[in-house]
Amino acid sequence: GAVVSQHPSRVICKSGTSVKIECRSLDFQATTMFWYRQFPKQSLMLMATSNEGSKATYEQGVEKDKFLINHASLTLSTLTVTSAHPEDSSFYICSANGQGNMNTEAFFGQGTRLTVV
Amino acid sequence: QQPVQSPQAVILREGEDAVINCSSSKALYSVHWYRQKHGEAPVFLMILLKGGEQKGHEKISASFNEKKQQSSLYLTASQLSYSGTYFCGTEGGGSYIPTFGRGTSLIVHP
Repeated sequence: GAVVSQHPSRVICKSGTSVKIECRSLDFQATTMFWYRQFPKQSLMLMATSNEGSKATYEQGVEKDKFLINHASLTLSTLTVTSAHPEDSSFYICSANGQGNMNTEAFFGQGTRLTVV
Repeated sequence: QQPVQSPQAVILREGEDAVINCSSSKALYSVHWYRQKHGEAPVFLMILLKGGEQKGHEKISASFNEKKQQSSLYLTASQLSYSGTYFCGTEGGGSYIPTFGRGTSLIVHP
């Protein structure tokens, strides 16, 4: 089946620094990828929809200048958490729909556990 | 609009059955079911697209009602490996962006 690879799986960074998270579709082209954030024992909350070749669409309340999304190719989307603070510590997960189609199963990356100290 | 999942938590002994429900106030295009182990990404279980559809195998299956507003996940003769948090993801109300329920924590004891 389709595979989405997310890297890194864990990262610890100092407050004020930036962290980049990569999300790759390994065997299919994903024109759209989704970035989620998950706090402990809570649901996946959509942060933004990443569209290849165009600006990402951010959900209400998500700061686009803080969470920079770049989707430069059909197989790679990146999320950069800029000037990270302890409250940004969370589990970040990307997903892409198989073959870029909606209404099909969503393939998730492994997730990235971000800890800001 | 976030779907409503129930119950919030289920505790079972091995071999017992469980039902997890997912409902929406609007008709949906699809319902996805996922299981997430602690610290890991969700793993896809199945997707339902048609009203009245039932899918899966005898141990883990799901249904989608005729109005396409409610889905149930059935776990029969549960195994220890079934433990985790189950999420339904839905698409509907004019949007094809998946929205997830709050999750149901399932714990299976020996």
